[in-house]
Amino acid sequence: QTVVTQEPSLTVSPGGTVTLTCASSTGAVTSDYYPNWFQQKSGQAPRALIYSTSKKHSWTPARLSGSLLGGKAALTLSGVQPEDEADYYCLLYYGGAWVFGGGTKLTVL
Amino acid sequence: QVQLQESGPGLVKPSQTLSLTCTVSGGSISSGFYYWSWIRQPAGKGLEWIGQIYTSGSTNYNPSLKSRVTISVETSKNQFSLKLSSVTAADTAVYYCAGEFSDWGQGTLVTVSS
Repeated sequence: QTVVTQEPSLTVSPGGTVTLTCASSTGAVTSDYYPNWFQQKSGQAPRALIYSTSKKHSWTPARLSGSLLGGKAALTLSGVQPEDEADYYCLLYYGGAWVFGGGTKLTVL
Repeated sequence: QVQLQESGPGLVKPSQTLSLTCTVSGGSISSGFYYWSWIRQPAGKGLEWIGQIYTSGSTNYNPSLKSRVTISVETSKNQFSLKLSSVTAADTAVYYCAGEFSDWGQGTLVTVSS
């Protein structure tokens, strides 16, 4: 069974920069996995942030960016703000099936 | 952005079939997104992809749920639907529908209990 792994939790200071990663049990993540990233705040539906590795939706803040880093998909938040505190999920494509990562709880402190 | 709204029973008995509908507004289901998805989230846990249906009508399902899942589309009503058979308490979750993975519904809680 394919497993997608994210950091369970990360802490960042306001104004700082943090990178969340997304690894696949099958090996290196490439653009063929069409990495997606989502933000979910407590009690709310997920909100799409990034698709196809690095493409932004019209509502995605410019200070968020997606990339491939060291064989993983990555989401970098720059100039972190208190409202960035949330759970973040990645999603990878495996030829007809999608698998979510377990999520990263980001604390802004 | 299109708007999506899930609807269906909030309580389903064990061994029965869970049925949910997603109504799409603000755009046509047959000419908008390339595919439409169902995702679920048990309380306090992560997201799980259930499956998707393309505008062509073809489907893909999560292998772990494939034997119990059916996703269909009713173009005339601008809706797509989820059926999950032989449910157990482990199927209790908030169920979301989404256009590709861009636009999401608010989610609906389905509890499996007798």
